[in-house]
Amino acid sequence: AQSVTQLDSQVPVFEEAPVELRCNYSSSVSVYLFWYVQYPNQGLQLLLKYLSGSTLVKGINGFEAEFNKSQTSFHLRKPSVHISDTAEYFCAVGSGGYQKVTFGTGTKLQVIP
Amino acid sequence: EAGVAQSPRYKIIEKRQSVAFWCNPISGHATLYWYQQILGQGPKLLIQFQNNGVVDDSQLPKDRFSAERLKGVDSTLKIQPAKLEDSAVYLCASSLDLASGGYTFGSGTRLTVV
Repeated sequence: AQSVTQLDSQVPVFEEAPVELRCNYSSSVSVYLFWYVQYPNQGLQLLLKYLSGSTLVKGINGFEAEFNKSQTSFHLRKPSVHISDTAEYFCAVGSGGYQKVTFGTGTKLQVIP
Repeated sequence: EAGVAQSPRYKIIEKRQSVAFWCNPISGHATLYWYQQILGQGPKLLIQFQNNGVVDDSQLPKDRFSAERLKGVDSTLKIQPAKLEDSAVYLCASSLDLASGGYTFGSGTRLTVV
């Protein structure tokens, strides 16, 4: 069975400071990893995804994530956050074979002016 | 290409009533997913279809929820009877193959049970 753990339910950070949102996963097969952002009362928007190849993945809005197979992690980073980044962020893991996609419980990023 | 279509966008019903949601995936996408997202939580997989067969329905409350995907194309999710705790956004997603990155969400149906 696969699972995703987002250790931090809320992350407050000052504007223009860097941020890291943590995501760890477990899976017995090869994985595909995703980060989604959800603004209040809106749908899920794909930030970035890792399918294969380079372990450093760049996404939209200046976000990037690094796939670390040995630590089974896929942490999301941004060097300088803006007020507009205030939202909830979800990590998800997908697996080959059955093509199942499992989501984490989410991390609320609050950017403080 | 057209995206994943869902309807209705919003639905308000009283508890014990029934409701149905419809999803039309992207053409050619063999895998279809239904998720339930309760306010403040992550999406929870209710059921996953591969063509018209069920791959995973382990988290589907089968006493009140049912889903079908006739002919391996569009799908319907039904709740009967609804409970207050079913208030959530119901999301449909479809995938050609995760390895190619083709995994797309619809805009969802927001259900309120009063």
